[in-house]
Parts: sequence; structure tokens; C-alpha cells
Amino acid sequence: DAGVIQSPRHEVTEMGQEVTLRCKPISGHNSLFWYRQTMMRGLELLIYFNNNVPIDDSGMPEDRFSAKMPNASFSTLKIQPSEPRDSAVYFCASNRRGGMETQYFGPGTRLLVL
Amino acid sequence: TQLLEQSPQFLSIQEGENLTVYCNSSSVFSSLQWYRQEPGEGPVLLVTVVTGGEVKKLKRLTFQFGDARKDSSLHITAAQPGDTGLYLCAGAKKKSSGDKLTFGTGTRLAVRP
Repeated sequence: DAGVIQSPRHEVTEMGQEVTLRCKPISGHNSLFWYRQTMMRGLELLIYFNNNVPIDDSGMPEDRFSAKMPNASFSTLKIQPSEPRDSAVYFCASNRRGGMETQYFGPGTRLLVL
Repeated sequence: TQLLEQSPQFLSIQEGENLTVYCNSSSVFSSLQWYRQEPGEGPVLLVTVVTGGEVKKLKRLTFQFGDARKDSSLHITAAQPGDTGLYLCAGAKKKSSGDKLTFGTGTRLAVRP
């Protein structure tokens, strides 16, 4: 079975541009998580969905960030407008029922905002 | 504010040595997980500990959850180059919206052959 799929793997953009990160969770998983990892702040939970519904978005840094899950097999994280401080590795993870069940992480999207 | 502090931050050791990584907090967690992350990849779960004082072993890795469920340790016996990576602890707190994971600051381990 394929793991969590993220695209693109690398993104370089200029400040002010819109960035869209994509995630396909593992088939049959009902919970999806978006994380951001930086050297300074480590791995932070941004938002998570359960059955396509956003449950906790308290980690979303500001209004420039938005996430959607239109169906069980696809989610996007959008940054508009992007800023240099958004540079980080963004991970998507999924599991069957949320909670402390094992989360399976994707390979991440490395974002650089110039 | 970082709820989970890991120490040491960096560790470089020779193959065959033993090491211990610590994960400390002033908060109580309902459970705690340890992950290993290799360059260019996402974290991979190693173990989940739930009960205060619990000890779990995974081959040469021994994990312990503190009695008060505020801290944890990871001990590696006879480290090998394949153990190289970033080790992350993650504590779970129960919320009305479900369990929420908070990750530690990470320990970057390098094992020299």
C-alpha cells in the first residue's frame, strides 16, 4: 500500500506569491494532520481533520494560512501571500482514527520563500 | 513555549557505545511517543508508552515513561551507524477535540563507524 503522498517535494517561490501544498493520505485513514518543521521551532501541528472536517486549527499561524480537505483522499495547505519566515518543511500525516494511534508521515515538502 | 525539552540536542558517538536521550516536561501527558526521523523523510513511530513507569524494549532500544508521566528516556545499547537520525518525543494531552500531540525539541544523533 502506498504511504502518504505529498507534492511538490520542493518549492522555491518569491515573497508574496501563493503557495499550495498537496497531500494524499493513506487509503482508509480518516484523520489527516498538517505539520511544519523548522530548526528553531521543531515540529508543530498546524491543523488536523477528522472525516474531512477540521477539528483543531489552533496551530495555524495566521490568516495567510488555510487548509482544506474536500474529500477523503486529498488535502491542501495554502499560504497566501507567502513570506520568508514561512520557509520550512511541511509534513502531512494520516491515521485511521486520530488520537494516539500511529501517525504515518509523508516525505514532506521543503518550502523556501525568497 | 516548548512544552517538551529534549537533551542532549546533539550527540556524536562511536559505534558500540551506549547512550541515553531524555525528554522532560512540567506537564503531565496521557501517553508519550518516540519517533526517529532520517534526512529527507518524515518521522517514523518507534514506540508508544502509556502507563507511568512503563518500560518497553525494541531490540537495542529501551524506552521508559516516568512515574509521574511528565518525562521519558530512550536508551540505546551498542549504537550502530544505522541508528543515526533525529529522535523526537511527542506527548499527548486529551482535549475535547481529541488527543493532541506536542513534539519535543529533538535530539540529533550521529553514530560514527
